[in-house]
Amino acid sequence: DVKVTQSSRYLVKRTGEKVFLECVQDMDHENMFWYRQDPGLGLRLIYFSYDVKMKEKGDIPEGYSVSREKKERFSLILESASTNQTSMYLCASSSNFAGANVLTFGAGSRLTVL
Amino acid sequence: QKEVEQNSGPLSVPEGAIASLNCTYSDRGSQSFFWYRQYSGKSPELIMFIYSNGDKEDGRFTAQLNKASQYVSLLIRDSQPSDSATYLCAVNLLAGSARQLTFGSGTQLTVLP
Repeated sequence: DVKVTQSSRYLVKRTGEKVFLECVQDMDHENMFWYRQDPGLGLRLIYFSYDVKMKEKGDIPEGYSVSREKKERFSLILESASTNQTSMYLCASSSNFAGANVLTFGAGSRLTVL
Repeated sequence: QKEVEQNSGPLSVPEGAIASLNCTYSDRGSQSFFWYRQYSGKSPELIMFIYSNGDKEDGRFTAQLNKASQYVSLLIRDSQPSDSATYLCAVNLLAGSARQLTFGSGTQLTVLP
């Protein structure tokens, strides 16, 4: 089974702190994604990567950056956390061979910014 | 204007009944359609996808697509309490590009024993 592992299940940070959310997948998937999920708003794409060192902005990239130095790892960075970034963050991956839209999600990281 | 619309619910059905979940989308050029299930406190998991007009069946689940009406639905036959979850509709403008996948906000389903 494909496994997508997110490093932290729950985080509490203060306004202005730098936050790193790590995601690792073990099935050699080309595509990796970061979404945030908020009540009533569904899943919104923050950033997407289709290859090592490649990234594309999603629908809500402001306030976020990403890094993909290795194929299996995709990191989301909040340079200066703000309270409106309190949310559930979901990492996902997919294979171009099996279907790029067939996403496998990690367990999620619930971030609270005080 | 939301690109993918779902009734947020909650939708309640008795055990054994058919649950019908609906989704409309705004972009007539959309090519592929997905249903994900998300249990409370868990991450979404794919149930089904459909690309062509008509019905696609997988066990107790049937996805129905009507591109002319820009409408996709999920039917769950013989609903079980274990089907209680939020169901997310996702639509992709380009079949081969995951970048264009857009999710609805989900419909919460409760199956009553």
